Amino acid sequence: EDQVTQSPEALRLQEGESSSLNCSYTVSGLRGLFWYRQDPGKGPEFLFTLYSAGEEKEKERLKATLTKKESFLHITAPKPEDSATYLCAVLPAGSARQLTFGSGTQLTVLP
Amino acid sequence: GAGVSQSPSNKVTEKGKDVELRCDPISGHTALYWYRQSLGQGLEFLIYFQGNSAPDKSGLPSDRFSAERTGGSVSTLTIQRTQQEDSAVYLCASSFGRDGLLEDFGPGTRLTVT
Repeated sequence: EDQVTQSPEALRLQEGESSSLNCSYTVSGLRGLFWYRQDPGKGPEFLFTLYSAGEEKEKERLKATLTKKESFLHITAPKPEDSATYLCAVLPAGSARQLTFGSGTQLTVLP
Repeated sequence: GAGVSQSPSNKVTEKGKDVELRCDPISGHTALYWYRQSLGQGLEFLIYFQGNSAPDKSGLPSDRFSAERTGGSVSTLTIQRTQQEDSAVYLCASSFGRDGLLEDFGPGTRLTVT
């Protein structure tokens, strides 16, 4: 059974304090790994897709990396507006089209 | 352009009543998904529509749940005889159907069953 585990569940950072969020996955063949940001009362906002181990993608203060077992979302010098829940999801190989999501990391960046 | 829209944004219903949740996908998107997000939980897949193909209903939790997509566009998720455990945020997403890439989610409908 495909499984995605995110850690930590919650993270509080001071503004400018860099850190990383972890997404560990177990899947029978990985077609893609997705990161989303979700603000309260809103739907998830797409950030990145990673397809193969060693791949990295960056967007502003965020960088996502992928290995064969996990993905990291690195946040460099975060700002209060980066506060949100960050969701990780995997798309398994095969004919299935639905993503399996982790339960998210709630990030709070204090000014 | 317009994103995925959902209505209503909030719905409070009594246990045992039926509810209908609506999703308007982005024009031209052939794939449409429904997910459910319970408090503190990850998103749970419910159902997937792709073009004119038979929908993938493998995520529907019981036969009280059903969904249809008319004319390849608007979708309605119906929950019959609602139970308190159905309380959650119901999210709709649409895409061009390429490799499961899901970029566009709606804002969700928050369902509360009292």
